[in-house]
Amino acid sequence: EAGVAQSPRYKIIEKRQSVAFWCNPISGHATLYWYQQILGQGPKLLIQFQNNGVVDDSQLPKDRFSAERLKGVDSTLKIQPAKLEDSAVYLCASQNWTGTYEQYFGPGTRLTVT
Amino acid sequence: AQRVTQPEKLLSVFKGAPVELKCNYSYSGSPELFWYVQYSRQRLQLLLRHISRESIKGFTADLNKGETSFHLKKPFAQEEDSAMYYCALSRYGNKLVFGAGTILRVKS
Repeated sequence: EAGVAQSPRYKIIEKRQSVAFWCNPISGHATLYWYQQILGQGPKLLIQFQNNGVVDDSQLPKDRFSAERLKGVDSTLKIQPAKLEDSAVYLCASQNWTGTYEQYFGPGTRLTVT
Repeated sequence: AQRVTQPEKLLSVFKGAPVELKCNYSYSGSPELFWYVQYSRQRLQLLLRHISRESIKGFTADLNKGETSFHLKKPFAQEEDSAMYYCALSRYGNKLVFGAGTILRVKS
């Protein structure tokens, strides 16, 4: 089966600019996650979707970050305006509730804010 | 609060030596525990989970609820085991809470 796809793979922007990331999960996976991984740290959840509904966005900085999954498939994550501390790898993961609890990760988007 | 601690940033061993990657967690309740691995230039992937009690690529991990630990072990390290290893916990299979990760380097 095809894996989780993400684009772009790399992005360099200046602070105060906006940026958007795209994720296409594995076909049929109802749950989608966005994680932020800052250098030297483990991934940290930003938002969890179940189909097109938000399950958990408690750690999403809502003053600058937004995410949507309109048709319950693809998802976009946006940052506007970006800050230096947003430099990180943004990981998308999807999950199918078959009892294994396994999350399948995409390759990530590396964002550098200058 | 949910927290996962991996005390070692880097573990360097010789090929054929035993490996133990440490993981401690804090959680009120009964979490699911996982080890995820990221090989060079590959994506993060599941290595094993405590509920399955299986051995993957020679690795095993035992959940010790008394010590709140989930250490990853392998009796004989191989060069292809070199990677970044993350311990993670989840509640009801939802979001993962990750540790900071440990780099395992297996020297020949």
